[in-house]
Amino acid sequence: NAGVTQTPKFRILKIGQSMTLQCTQDMNHNYMYWYRQDPGMGLKLIYYSVGAGITDKGEVPNGYNVSRSTTEDFPLRLELAAPSQTSVYFCASKAGEPQHFGDGTRLSIL
Amino acid sequence: AQTVTQSQPEMSVQEAETVTLSCTYDTSESDYYLFWYKQPPSRQMILVIRQEAYKQQNATENRFSVNFQKAAKSFSLKISDSQLGDAAMYFCAYRMNYGGSQGNLIFGKGTKLSVKP
Repeated sequence: NAGVTQTPKFRILKIGQSMTLQCTQDMNHNYMYWYRQDPGMGLKLIYYSVGAGITDKGEVPNGYNVSRSTTEDFPLRLELAAPSQTSVYFCASKAGEPQHFGDGTRLSIL
Repeated sequence: AQTVTQSQPEMSVQEAETVTLSCTYDTSESDYYLFWYKQPPSRQMILVIRQEAYKQQNATENRFSVNFQKAAKSFSLKISDSQLGDAAMYFCAYRMNYGGSQGNLIFGKGTKLSVKP
């Protein structure tokens, strides 16, 4: 049972580049979340999804997009990378309680 | 809007001793969950303990226990018999317990716990 899997684990991007952070879960959870963790801070919600085809904005959605075509996958898209998006990104999923987290993606924008 | 405050950026404890990490939160809701997550250097987010607001009894998980004071909006974590493996960042988190929140967590800024041998 893999749980929540995030790829890649590390990535360096140049300003203006685009990329997709992948997240997949094998627990058949309906709820999925993307958080970012800036240095010395707690996690903040970027986007969430309550099921396939349904997504909504969280606290800090600017500069990101998501899609949820299947229950398993919830990719996060950065269209024009900016230095302010340097952070660690966590994907999570849940059915009831608690949320299950992936191991995170460390992203640096230079 | 709900907020979570952890007033201790860093704490230190001697191995085998007891330490208490503080957390306060602000909400107008009466039905919610509170959590403590541990984040070791490996970056994983590990659930330590959770508390349902409608339960008056404080949650316990082995060496970890909470002191939940609903009226004071306080949710502290006590770690007994501290071990070297307890060294990590600890995050307090809150979530409402009805559909409008969609279950997302609101986190504090964390407390870095060091354990001295």
